[in-house]
Amino acid sequence: EVQLQQSGPELRRPGSSVKLSCKASGYNITDNLMHWVRYRPEHGLEWIGWIDPEDGKTKYVQKFQTKATLTADTSSNAAYMQLSSLTSEDTATYFCARPYNRYMWFPYWGQGTLVTVSS
Amino acid sequence: DIQMTQSPSLLSASVGDRVTLSCTASRNIYNSLAWYQQKLGEAPKLLIYAVNSLQTGVPSRFSGSGSGTDYTLTISSLQPEDVATYFCQKYYSGYTFGPGTKVELK
Repeated sequence: EVQLQQSGPELRRPGSSVKLSCKASGYNITDNLMHWVRYRPEHGLEWIGWIDPEDGKTKYVQKFQTKATLTADTSSNAAYMQLSSLTSEDTATYFCARPYNRYMWFPYWGQGTLVTVSS
Repeated sequence: DIQMTQSPSLLSASVGDRVTLSCTASRNIYNSLAWYQQKLGEAPKLLIYAVNSLQTGVPSRFSGSGSGTDYTLTISSLQPEDVATYFCQKYYSGYTFGPGTKVELK
């Protein structure tokens, strides 16, 4: 059974950074892409980008290119997203999601990580 | 970039009602369309993929249709547990989500 377990909630000061994790089980992360999605109640779901853990190739939505950095560690079967220069606009729940097959829909989601940015 | 819009933004209906949600793409997305249900505090749940294919375990009261730029999610008989926000998503040329339709009970 495919499962994605994300790290716990984070509280950060403006200007700082945070690194979120998404540990996969039930499959080898090199077998598929890993996507990241942001959820803010007033903005809905926003796709951030994907990483191919097999070769480390990444693709980002333009607005997240300088905000998010996606990495993966095949030895721990986990994916990571670092968010930098945090502002209050980055307060959100962040999800990792695995597609059915490389460039398709998302049947598998992590439970989400709430990041709160506040002074 | 292809933009996704959804209507209505809020839908109030009674238990047992037939409910129709709309999703429109700014250009042809060649049936690369999925629907998700998100309840408060939970991760999105895949309902429909490839326009009209029902994800395993999803009740048959959910169905999808459409083509080109216009797509629809239908709930044939609304149940209390269907109260949620519904998002469409394109996976052609990127993975943009629509802004969502919130479904509530009247």
